[in-house]
Parts: sequence; C-alpha cells; structure tokens
Amino acid sequence: AQSVSQHNHHVILSEAASLELGCNYSYGGTVNLFWYVQYPGQHLQLLLKYFSGDPLVKGIKGFEAEFIKSKFSFNLRKPSVQWSDTAEYFCAVQAGVAAGNKLTFGGGTRVLVKP
Amino acid sequence: DGGITQSPKYLFRKEGQNVTLSCEQNLNHDAMYWYRQDPGQGLRLIYYSQIVNDFQKGDIAEGYSVSREKKESFPLTVTSAQKNPTAFYLCASSPGTGIHGYTFGSGTRLTVV
Repeated sequence: AQSVSQHNHHVILSEAASLELGCNYSYGGTVNLFWYVQYPGQHLQLLLKYFSGDPLVKGIKGFEAEFIKSKFSFNLRKPSVQWSDTAEYFCAVQAGVAAGNKLTFGGGTRVLVKP
Repeated sequence: DGGITQSPKYLFRKEGQNVTLSCEQNLNHDAMYWYRQDPGQGLRLIYYSQIVNDFQKGDIAEGYSVSREKKESFPLTVTSAQKNPTAFYLCASSPGTGIHGYTFGSGTRLTVV
C-alpha cells in the first residue's frame, strides 16, 4: 500500500518569501502525484498534478512541483507567496485502476502567510 | 454547474445514534469516495465505489457503512460502532476510468455529543 509523508505540519512566513513544502511517498509501482489546497472554509482544490513527462509541473496561482523519482519526492514550491496563499496543502499519491484509483493523502501542511 | 453536494454542512448527533451523511454528484462520474479529515492526519479513506452496486473498504472502514444504489448518490452511515465519529467528512468523485484527480464536495462536520 502507498503512503505519503509531509515533513512540515505548520509553516509561517512573510509575504514575498519563497515557499517549499516537502512530500515523500512510498509505493513500488507507477504513481500519479497531486497537490491539493484547502483555503479556509473552502473545498479542496487541485493545485497541480503529475502523470508522466516533464518532472517539473506548473500549476495554478504560480505554484510548481518537481517529481524526483530517485528520491520518491514531489515537493511544492512558490517563489513569492502572498497573504492569500494562507491555506492547508495536501500532497497525494494515486495508484492505478487495479487499486481503485485511490488517492492517499499526506497529513497536510498548514501555511500561514503574514502580511 | 456540475459538482458534488454534501448535506448537511453541520450535523450534531447524540452518542449511540446512527447518522447518515448525504453525497450527490451530477458529474456523471463512475467512482465515488468518502474521506475523513482530522487535524494533523490529512484525509483518510473510509469507503469507495467504482461502480453502482459495488463498493470497497478503505483504510478506516470500521464503524461505517455505505450504499451505491444510484450512480449519483453515495451516502455514508456513521454507526454507533464508530469509536470516535466527531470529524469532518469529505465526499469525492472521479471519472473512474484512467487516472484522474478527484472533485471534492464541501464536506460535513459531524459532532457527536
């Protein structure tokens, strides 16, 4: 079974600072990788996803993530955060159809951006 | 607009009572999922269904039950056997074939007193 680990539970930073959130997964087969964001009081929304191809993936709102297969990692980055990036961020791994296309989530990282 | 509707948004129940959470989607998705969200633990999969009249246990199915009689609907019952039912419950759906991300509902916060 797959598992996902997010290294930081809470991150506090100031506007314009750079953000990097770590995500490592364990799974022996081919995976698809996702980052979701949950803004206060809102639905979970897809930030970006990686299925195959270029390991550097660009998502919405200036976020990007890099898949490093050898490290089983899929870290999320944003060069300059804004106050509106305050949210909880979840990394997720998806196994294939045989496993029900199930998404396994990490524990989440709460990000607080101070104005 | 297509989407997932979870109702109610907030639910209060007395300990020992069963309670059913509603999840309806009009996205024509084959697969539907129920997750439980607890602080610091992320989302944990309770049950999922890839097709009507079929469903499988997820990682934390004990104390829960589901049905999938219609494609659009995937209700979750939290039974009295669930030891710690107070949580935020999220329903999601996906097209089912191939690899896709999920569409999530807005969730139901269940408080058992």
